[in-house]
Amino acid sequence: IQLTQSPSSLSASVGDRVTITCRASQDINSFLAWYQQNPGKAPKLLIYAASTLQSGVPSRFSGSGSGTDFTLTISSLQPEDFATYYCQQVNSYPRTFGQGTKVEIK
Amino acid sequence: QVQLVQTGAEVKKPGASVKVSCKASGFTFSNYGVHWVRQAPGERLEWMGWINADNGNTKESQKFQDRLILTKDTSASTVYMELRSLRSEDTAVYFCAMTFWFDPWGQGTLVTVSS
Repeated sequence: IQLTQSPSSLSASVGDRVTITCRASQDINSFLAWYQQNPGKAPKLLIYAASTLQSGVPSRFSGSGSGTDFTLTISSLQPEDFATYYCQQVNSYPRTFGQGTKVEIK
Repeated sequence: QVQLVQTGAEVKKPGASVKVSCKASGFTFSNYGVHWVRQAPGERLEWMGWINADNGNTKESQKFQDRLILTKDTSASTVYMELRSLRSEDTAVYFCAMTFWFDPWGQGTLVTVSS
């Protein structure tokens, strides 16, 4: 299953609302996760089952969607949110990831 | 505290093998599965395979099926990823990650393949 994220990169300011989309090449129900990765670090799980916030993750992060189209939203961008974000499907093997969306400071 | 700790960086020559370990602490190791994911420089995350930490069953990506060996040592709460016949394209950071939803992750192990 191929996952395509858009955009591949974006520039935004602190306080902005940011939306990242992930499209799957076939129906994956709600078996989608979102990760945040900082340079040189391991990915961090933000959202699982498309819309469930992982424990300890700030509530400004939210996820939505099912089937083939999914969205990650950051309601008010904070300085620590500048990172690369990946979607991942766990509906079937092999598990696959999107190409990533780099969120940069405007 | 739930965490995974991986071995340190490795430098290997083409054709050699590398074995990376992933040690779990803070939870019952055998209750979960462990995934291996790699990330080449500037590239997306790539799933390699999975091992059931209880019974040792494995599932590998077809891309690595003939070169990848996943094993476990339950008494040491440790899983191992061995990749054989290394080539330069295998230069990457290799991560382990627990559970169905890939949380937590190890800190990553840089494997450099160079002559």
